[in-house]
Amino acid sequence: EAQVTQNPRYLITVTGKKLTVTCSQNMNHEYMSWYRQDPGLGLRQIYYSMNVEVTDKGDVPEGYKVSRKEKRNFPLILESPSPNQTSLYFCASSSSHDNTGELFFGEGSRLTVL
Amino acid sequence: GIQVEQSPPDLILQEGANSTLRCNFSDSVNNLQWFHQNPWGQLINLFYIPSGTKQNGRLSATTVATERYSLLYISSSQTTDSGVYFCAVVTTSGTYKYIFGTGTRLKVLA
Repeated sequence: EAQVTQNPRYLITVTGKKLTVTCSQNMNHEYMSWYRQDPGLGLRQIYYSMNVEVTDKGDVPEGYKVSRKEKRNFPLILESPSPNQTSLYFCASSSSHDNTGELFFGEGSRLTVL
Repeated sequence: GIQVEQSPPDLILQEGANSTLRCNFSDSVNNLQWFHQNPWGQLINLFYIPSGTKQNGRLSATTVATERYSLLYISSSQTTDSGVYFCAVVTTSGTYKYIFGTGTRLKVLA
């Protein structure tokens, strides 16, 4: 089954404790992206990757890191989480040929930073 | 940059009613999708529809690319249709980036 898998789905952590949210897709997609969703602010892009070893900042990259060492994986790293990073996070992927790929989302990761 | 506007922002229906959600965009697009975010937060793909008309059960969508809008039709609504509906577009120019509308929040009452 074609899917985007995120882990963990739910996490409560404390300020400053490094964490990684993993994202994996099995569709051989070139494009992968991370979004955060907050009430009243919609979906905002954090980072995206057009292919292996190619990453770029989205609209709200501060406080986050990413890497794309393999095509299928695109982890999101919070080196020193703060309470303002409490949010619902989504990973997504698509085939980006000709800018016409269909975007698929993971199930979301609800993060609370105390 | 491209603007994506959805209307109405909120909608309350009785079960069994029909509805039309609209997505207007301000520039040419290569890609338009409709998503449903259910009450548990999951984002479900409904339609990939940069142009034309598609149907899937009680849902159908039409995109008129030349006039820069898309419509999502929900017929015989059910309580499970509740949630937020988003459209998202990718423009024909510039960075490959999905731009999301602010969504239509739908509540279907039993």
